[in-house]
Amino acid sequence: EDKVVQSPLSLVVHEGDTVTLNCSYEVTNFRSLLWYKQEKKAPTFLFMLTSSGIEKKSGRLSSILDKKELFSILNITATQTGDSAVYLCAVEASGATNKLIFGTGTLLAVQP
Amino acid sequence: DTEVTQTPKHLVMGMTNKKSLKCEQHMGHRAMYWYKQKAKKPPELMFVYSYEKLSINESVPSRFSPECPNSSLLNLHLHALQPEDSALYLCASSQPDWGRDYGYTFGSGTRLTVV
Repeated sequence: EDKVVQSPLSLVVHEGDTVTLNCSYEVTNFRSLLWYKQEKKAPTFLFMLTSSGIEKKSGRLSSILDKKELFSILNITATQTGDSAVYLCAVEASGATNKLIFGTGTLLAVQP
Repeated sequence: DTEVTQTPKHLVMGMTNKKSLKCEQHMGHRAMYWYKQKAKKPPELMFVYSYEKLSINESVPSRFSPECPNSSLLNLHLHALQPEDSALYLCASSQPDWGRDYGYTFGSGTRLTVV
């Protein structure tokens, strides 16, 4: 059975801290791994990773994929209160139609 | 237009009611999805339409009936729901082909309460 597991489940940090969120997966027909940020409603897209070892960066956020060890990390540096959200990892499995399989999410709370 | 629009934003319905959720996108995406998200849980895939044809049904009960009238619209018809069906229903779209790098775009969801 396809599985995506995130850790930690929740995390409380102070502004300015650096955090690392983890995502491991066991998915048949892996195609890509995506990171989303979800505050109150819709998940918003952060990164899509398809190749091992290539870091993607957007401002204070960065992510990398290891297809050999089947995991990805999402780093957030100099955290701000606006980073507080649930961070979702999703793996895209290819087939007749591709589909996203979500992990359980990591709830990040950044305190002032 | 880079959005997926869902209506209504909130819906309260009785167990004998029939209602519909609507999703619209004008990005030219040819794959559209319905997800169900319960509180403090990740989204769970319900249906996938690819090129207006139903391609994945994740063993969803028949009281949920999807419809894709054209490439921009996706509906979810609801009938005889149960209180445990209360959840946030998310619509998403994407290009079904290889090579894109922008992931899936999600709508803001419809918060459904079944009473």
